[in-house]
Amino acid sequence: DAGVIQSPRHEVTEMGQEVTLRCKPISGHNSLFWYRQTMMRGLELLIYFNNNVPIDDSGMPEDRFSAKMPNASFSTLKIQPSEPRDSAVYFCASSFIAGDRFSGGELFFGEGSRLTVL
Amino acid sequence: KQEVTQIPAALSVPEGENLVLNCSFTDSAIYNLQWFRQDPGKGLTSLLLIQSSQREQTSGRLNASLDKSSGRSTLYIAASQPGDSATYLCAVGDDKIIFGKGTRLHILP
Repeated sequence: DAGVIQSPRHEVTEMGQEVTLRCKPISGHNSLFWYRQTMMRGLELLIYFNNNVPIDDSGMPEDRFSAKMPNASFSTLKIQPSEPRDSAVYFCASSFIAGDRFSGGELFFGEGSRLTVL
Repeated sequence: KQEVTQIPAALSVPEGENLVLNCSFTDSAIYNLQWFRQDPGKGLTSLLLIQSSQREQTSGRLNASLDKSSGRSTLYIAASQPGDSATYLCAVGDDKIIFGKGTRLHILP
């Protein structure tokens, strides 16, 4: 069974460039989460979707960040323009959640996308 | 606002010892709590999920307990092995899933 698949695994880019991170959740899962991990701040929830609809994007740092989930099997996180302080590991996770509450969903993570902005 | 704390930040113990990792949270109105393991450069691997109605879960040498009223969970690892060396994170699920910063565990051979 394939887990959560993220691409690219590593991305090095220059300040000002557009970055697109991709995620394929586990088949059958109805919720998808984007997290960012840094040494200083740990794991921060950026945004999560339920049934392809964004539920809470209050963790998105600023307007330079955007996320989409056009269908149940694909999501993107875009940073435009990128800045050095965006350097981090970005994780995608998926879960099956009954209803609209976390009443049973076990969270499964991808391997992450390590972003370095020079 | 839910806050999740894990103390200590790092722990070193000799192989074979039993050990306990701690997780505390500020808002007891949670739906579940999950323990994860993260190896360097890797994603998070789910270890145990405890629903709010449960008090503990067990998997092999791991046992996790949950006390909602006191806002605490513990992860007990029996007969520790060098392969248990990793960072252990707890995550609390209410309207969101909030993570602690983890405990970095090193088992000394």
